[in-house]
Amino acid sequence: SAVISQKPSRDICQRGTSLTIQCQVDSQVTMMFWYRQQPGQSLTLIATANQGSEATYESGFVIDKFPISRPNLTFSTLTVSNMSPEDSSIYLCSVKKTMESGYTFGSGTRLTVV
Amino acid sequence: QKEVEQNSGPLSVPEGAIASLNCTYSDRVSQSFFWYRQYSGKSPELIMSIYSNGDKEDGRFTAQLNKASQYVSLLIRDSQPSDSATYLCAVNKNNDMRFGAGTRLTVKP
Repeated sequence: SAVISQKPSRDICQRGTSLTIQCQVDSQVTMMFWYRQQPGQSLTLIATANQGSEATYESGFVIDKFPISRPNLTFSTLTVSNMSPEDSSIYLCSVKKTMESGYTFGSGTRLTVV
Repeated sequence: QKEVEQNSGPLSVPEGAIASLNCTYSDRVSQSFFWYRQYSGKSPELIMSIYSNGDKEDGRFTAQLNKASQYVSLLIRDSQPSDSATYLCAVNKNNDMRFGAGTRLTVKP
């Protein structure tokens, strides 16, 4: 399975500011996914990031709030913009190498907005 | 109805017992099914995948799939305290992976 380096691992941010989360994969992958996991909850898909095209956002998530970049097949960023305390969560990137391997997750970014 | 449903638990079993985790899904044409383990403060890690009806065994873990009943389960034999974690069921259709809310398992020594 792929190895994903995600950073930062955690951050405490002031409301109204933005944070960019980076994910680097050790091999080329077509699809990268960004999830949010709020305390005690399961994973909610924010968007799917494909190289060379705009990200596809799930219902309830918009590009202005969560802009995504995917400049190549091994890297992606997610920005959480104009943060509020409601954005406090764990953010996870994920990739799929093959269906048999399922999804591999980065180590997560624990974001606290104060 | 949620797309993927799991009992939230907590499920508590004694060490050495069999832990049984259950999951139902709503989309009848779902194609593949996964179980992830998530330790507190960590990201999910894949432990089992299953695609066809029946049982699939890997060490102490057995995944069971019944597509007619839209049901998938995970059995953990000889449960160990290190198995204490949240187990997430995931269902895939056409590269769209949906996760259940997870079942928290505690294995007591």
